[in-house]
Formats: sequence, C-alpha cells, structure tokens
Amino acid sequence: QSVLIQPPSLSAAPGQKVSISCSGSYSNVGNNYVSWYQHFPGTAPKLLIYDNNKRSSGIPDRFSASKSGTSANLDITGLQTGDEADYYCGTWENGVTTRRVFGTGTKVNVL
Amino acid sequence: QVQLQEWGAGLLKPSETLSLTCVVSGGSVTGYFWSWIRQPPGKGLEWIGEGSHNGYTSYNPSLKSRVAVSVDTSKKQISLTLTSVTAADTGVYFCARGATRFDIWGQGTLVTVSS
Repeated sequence: QSVLIQPPSLSAAPGQKVSISCSGSYSNVGNNYVSWYQHFPGTAPKLLIYDNNKRSSGIPDRFSASKSGTSANLDITGLQTGDEADYYCGTWENGVTTRRVFGTGTKVNVL
Repeated sequence: QVQLQEWGAGLLKPSETLSLTCVVSGGSVTGYFWSWIRQPPGKGLEWIGEGSHNGYTSYNPSLKSRVAVSVDTSKKQISLTLTSVTAADTGVYFCARGATRFDIWGQGTLVTVSS
C-alpha cells in the first residue's frame, strides 16, 4: 500500500548519525511537501519535520531533513538511546483525487 | 494544549461496521482538517480519510466505497465509519489533526476483526 520507500531498519551507536531515505515519485515527493514522524509503538506519533525541512515546535536541531527531486532524507545526529523508534515520511499524491501517503517506515536501533 | 482521544468498539466480526469517535480537548475543531490513519499489525501507516467542519471529505480510493468521516463542531468530535469489515481492517486506528501534515495525533485505539 505504501508508495514511499524507506529502509526497513538502520542501526548506529550513541552519538553517531543516521540518515533515513524516503524514495517516491514525481506525483508525490517530487511535487509536494514532505513531513517526518517519530513513533514509539503504543503511543501517539509525533510530527518532527514539515514542509520538507521545518522542525516542529520543540524538536531539537539534532533532527534535520532535506528533499531533492523525488527523494527526501531525515538526518538524526548525536544519536541518543531515546531516539530508538519508528520513523515515517509522509506527503500527498496528486492524481484524479488527492491521496495522503506514508513511507514504509524505518526502525532506528541505537546500539 | 490540544489533545485527541479515540474510542469505540475494539472487537468486531467480519461484515460488521466499525464506528470510532475522536474527542478533541483543549482546542477548536473549526478551521482544521481532521484525519483518520490506521496501522495494521506489524505494518506501516495508512491514510483512511479526512474531513472538516464545513462538510468537506476526502478518502483513500482503496477504502472510499466503505468509509465515512464526519466532524461535529458542537461535540468537538470526529467520527469514522467503515462498513463491511474484514480481518484486513484489523489494526490501530489514529485520529490526527491536519491533512498535508499531521501535527497532533491521538494515542490510537486497537480494532480487531475476528469471527
């Protein structure tokens, strides 16, 4: 169902950096704003980034994002154990009707 | 601080109708889009549909024939109805504020479809 492709999992040690990719197409990522969400299972997902690269209120600058063409990236620097969670990109897809779409999700493991 | 809380029947039989309500506290429902999003077990997020106080709605084409979203400004509630459920509709259902981005989410409620 997901039309945006993310790596299933990434691992890094505390203090290091992870980069999560989100690959889409011209009809979604290529022409619309991308947002990023952090989700700890059993809790409410949290908006981290909106409009490609704007941090949501209260989100530390360790989280940053960018977009180029039909791909977007979320970078987490200075990785902390509390960052171990699932991360999703999201945007919308243009067509006969507009459809909101999410990425396949990436589990970040902090070693 | 705006908070969302979903509630509704957690166990359904195949062919029954799923009905969920999202209560908004600490803020207004007017002037925003409100969405329903679900997560099947072990899978990612799937957008179900959205609505606003003026009657606007938009749905995932894969669910459009079975789904309805409505916004009640007086009760500050967002409702979801999904008819003819099957096991594939099992999952955690979230309500969220927004459409192009979802800035506030509820904790989610688990719905299981099983005979």
